[in-house]
Amino acid sequence: DAGVTQSPTHLIKTRGQQVTLRCSPKSGHDTVSWYQQALGQGPQFIFQYYEEEERQRGNFPDRFSGHQFPNYSSELNVNALLLGDSALYLCASSLATGGNYGYTFGSGTRLTVV
Amino acid sequence: AQSVTQPDIHITVSEGASLELRCNYSYGATPYLFWYVQSPGQGLQLLLKYFSGDTLVQGIKGFEAEFKRSQSSFNLRKPSVHWSDAAEYFCAVGAIEYGNKLVFGAGTILRVKS
Repeated sequence: DAGVTQSPTHLIKTRGQQVTLRCSPKSGHDTVSWYQQALGQGPQFIFQYYEEEERQRGNFPDRFSGHQFPNYSSELNVNALLLGDSALYLCASSLATGGNYGYTFGSGTRLTVV
Repeated sequence: AQSVTQPDIHITVSEGASLELRCNYSYGATPYLFWYVQSPGQGLQLLLKYFSGDTLVQGIKGFEAEFKRSQSSFNLRKPSVHWSDAAEYFCAVGAIEYGNKLVFGAGTILRVKS
């Protein structure tokens, strides 16, 4: 049973560009959350998707947007990249009826903005 | 505001010695508490969680944690550390009142001396 799959593993982008990160949730999970982990810090909540809608959002600008597809997979989009967006982006899936605390985390996408 | 403090950025212990990692939280609601471990280049793995009931919680890999409401603490312990325990450890807090997001501490890096 595959866990949470994130792609790509690493990528390098230039300031001002746009990036899309992808996440496939654990089999049976219907909710996807995204977290940003800057170097030397703990993960910070970006937003959560359930039933193809953004259900909750953290303190991130509108440059960060997302989408959830009917198969529960999700994308995180970041526009107008800044150097400060360089981080490990973690996707976590869960089951809504499980109270959403049964998170399974992926290994993350390491984004470097130059 | 919700916050989690892990006072120790780095801790070094000898293999076979006992371990305690500290976590204090500030939360305006009844907290759910978690400890995660992250190895280099990996995602987060759940060690244990506390929702209610017995304040001493057993987790995987021989870890345990004790919830002390009066001290707003949820310290992680292990009686005998193994070299494979070297990793970064994150304490996290959630609450139904704040939706399904987790608020993480900045992490404690554990080094194990042989």
